[in-house]
Amino acid sequence: AQSVTQLGSHVSVSEGALVLLRCNYSSSVPPYLFWYVQYPNQGLQLLLKYTSAATLVKGINGFEAEFKKSETSFHLTKPSAHMSDAAEYFCAVSRNYGGSQGNLIFGKGTKLSVKP
Amino acid sequence: DTEVTQTPKHLVMGMTNKKSLKCEQHMGHRAMYWYKQKAKKPPELMFVYSYEKLSINESVPSRFSPECPNSSLLNLHLHALQPEDSALYLCASSQDTRGRGNQPQHFGDGTRLSIL
Repeated sequence: AQSVTQLGSHVSVSEGALVLLRCNYSSSVPPYLFWYVQYPNQGLQLLLKYTSAATLVKGINGFEAEFKKSETSFHLTKPSAHMSDAAEYFCAVSRNYGGSQGNLIFGKGTKLSVKP
Repeated sequence: DTEVTQTPKHLVMGMTNKKSLKCEQHMGHRAMYWYKQKAKKPPELMFVYSYEKLSINESVPSRFSPECPNSSLLNLHLHALQPEDSALYLCASSQDTRGRGNQPQHFGDGTRLSIL
């Protein structure tokens, strides 16, 4: 069965500092992995996805993630944090459910705070 | 602006009321999803429709009744809800569920439901 674990329920960085949000996955088959962001009172917005085409995936808003099979990780990074990056971030893996693909299993989420 | 539109944005109802949540997308997607999200938690899958047919029901109580009238619309009918059903209800869509699981889901901004 697939699952994802996000390390750290809350991460705080200073504006301009590196953002690193950690996600480890468990999957018996090659996984499809996603990062979503949720701003207050909004739905989830796709940041980026890994679908095996390239191990380094670039997303929106300057975020990127690297798929490392040896470490079963898919950590999200951004070189320089901006105040507008403050939000909840969810890592997710696509679940194979009775032959039906595409259902997501979410991690518990990491709340990112950005200090001025 | 999200491409998945949910109405209403907020709903307050008593335990004896009947109400409906509505979700609409015009991206030509053939899979649509209902999620429930409690505060500070990840979304939990409730229902999946694939090509207008219910394909997954995650053991949701019968007081929640989904309906997919056509490929663009998804409703969630509510009746005799309990206070613990208060949550953010998110709708999502994806191209379909017959692929390899690499298709991202697009989320609406949700309906915030409060049960008195």
